[in-house]
Amino acid sequence: DVKVTQSSRYLVKRTGEKVFLECVQDMDHENMFWYRQDPGLGLRLIYFSYDVKMKEKGDIPEGYSVSREKKERFSLILESASTNQTSMYLCASSFRQGYSYEQYFGPGTRLTVT
Amino acid sequence: DQQVKQNSPSLSVQEGRISILNCDYTNSMFDYFLWYKKYPAEGPTFLISISSIKDKNEDGRFTVFLNKSAKHLSLHIVPSQPGDSAVYFCAAKSSGSARQLTFGSGTQLTVLP
Repeated sequence: DVKVTQSSRYLVKRTGEKVFLECVQDMDHENMFWYRQDPGLGLRLIYFSYDVKMKEKGDIPEGYSVSREKKERFSLILESASTNQTSMYLCASSFRQGYSYEQYFGPGTRLTVT
Repeated sequence: DQQVKQNSPSLSVQEGRISILNCDYTNSMFDYFLWYKKYPAEGPTFLISISSIKDKNEDGRFTVFLNKSAKHLSLHIVPSQPGDSAVYFCAAKSSGSARQLTFGSGTQLTVLP
């Protein structure tokens, strides 16, 4: 059974703080993704990584950075949190090859920036 | 510009009846489509998918239909059950992508007992 875990379910941070969100998967997936989910906007891709130390910008990368030092771990960093980054953050992973394009998601982190 | 659109934010259906969730897309490069279900405070879970070379895929109570000429897909749930109440997202993969998915905005399905 694929397991994607995220470091926190709920997080409250202050404006200007540096925030780290961590994601770990146990399926040896090459690809990992960070999304944010907002009402009426669905899931929007922030960054993804297809290999260790590799990263690609998604649709909304501004204000975020990522780190992938190990295959199983993908971190999302908010360098200076702002109130408009209050959202649900979802991590996902998938294989890079083969006929299954399914992404497996973690439970999400509800981040509130005050 | 939203490439994957779910125009109905919500849908209510009586238990035992059919639920039909719709999704439209604009990008002709999309070649694979997926449906996910999401309960509150949980991550989305994969439900069913379809390749662009097919027009129908069935899995138990769930059937996905793809109409490429209309750039439209739909998810049918028959019969609907109260446990199906969740937000449903359609997603699409582009043939030119490294497996990123583009998601719609979601439809909240409520199945009334």
